[in-house]
Amino acid sequence: EAQVTQNPRYLITVTGKKLTVTCSQNMNHEYMSWYRQDPGLGLRQIYYSMNVEVTDKGDVPEGYKVSRKEKRNFPLILESPSPNQTSLYFCASSFRLEINEQFFGPGTRLTVL
Amino acid sequence: AQRVTQPEKLLSVFKGAPVELKCNYSYSGSPELFWYVQYSRQRLQLLLRHISRESIKGFTADLNKGETSFHLKKPFAQEEDSAMYYCALSGRGFGNEKLTFGTGTRLTIIP
Repeated sequence: EAQVTQNPRYLITVTGKKLTVTCSQNMNHEYMSWYRQDPGLGLRQIYYSMNVEVTDKGDVPEGYKVSRKEKRNFPLILESPSPNQTSLYFCASSFRLEINEQFFGPGTRLTVL
Repeated sequence: AQRVTQPEKLLSVFKGAPVELKCNYSYSGSPELFWYVQYSRQRLQLLLRHISRESIKGFTADLNKGETSFHLKKPFAQEEDSAMYYCALSGRGFGNEKLTFGTGTRLTIIP
């Protein structure tokens, strides 16, 4: 089944404790992206990647890192999480020439205490 | 900078009545616009894009470059249309791959 998976789905952590949220897709998509969804602010793009070893900042990259060492994986790294990073995070992927048709993962709800 | 504005956070419409979800954008180049929908307990998914000029589930959206708008319309609302709707924008061509979403409109269809 073609899909985008994220792990973990729920995470509660404390300020400053490094964490990684994984994202994997099995559709051979070149483009992958991370978003955060907050009430009243909608979806905001954090980082995106056009292909392996190619990443670029979205609208809200501060406090986040990403890497794209393999085509199928695009982990989101929070080196020192803070409470303002409490949010619902979505990973998405698409073909490079069809980035308007993003396939979304199920979401990861992160709480930073 | 690219921006998408959805002025209505919440919209309630009676079943059978027309629906219009507003979307305005700001972009210096030639944009691509699309609508995404998130039904309850489902993943966000593409509803339609302006380039294909299609009608999906009875919804249409026309890009009006003069008014920089891409409003989503349906002549007769159905209960299954209740969902969260996001308008989104991207540029065209290499180097314009950033995606910007609006803040979303929650549509509720009243039986």
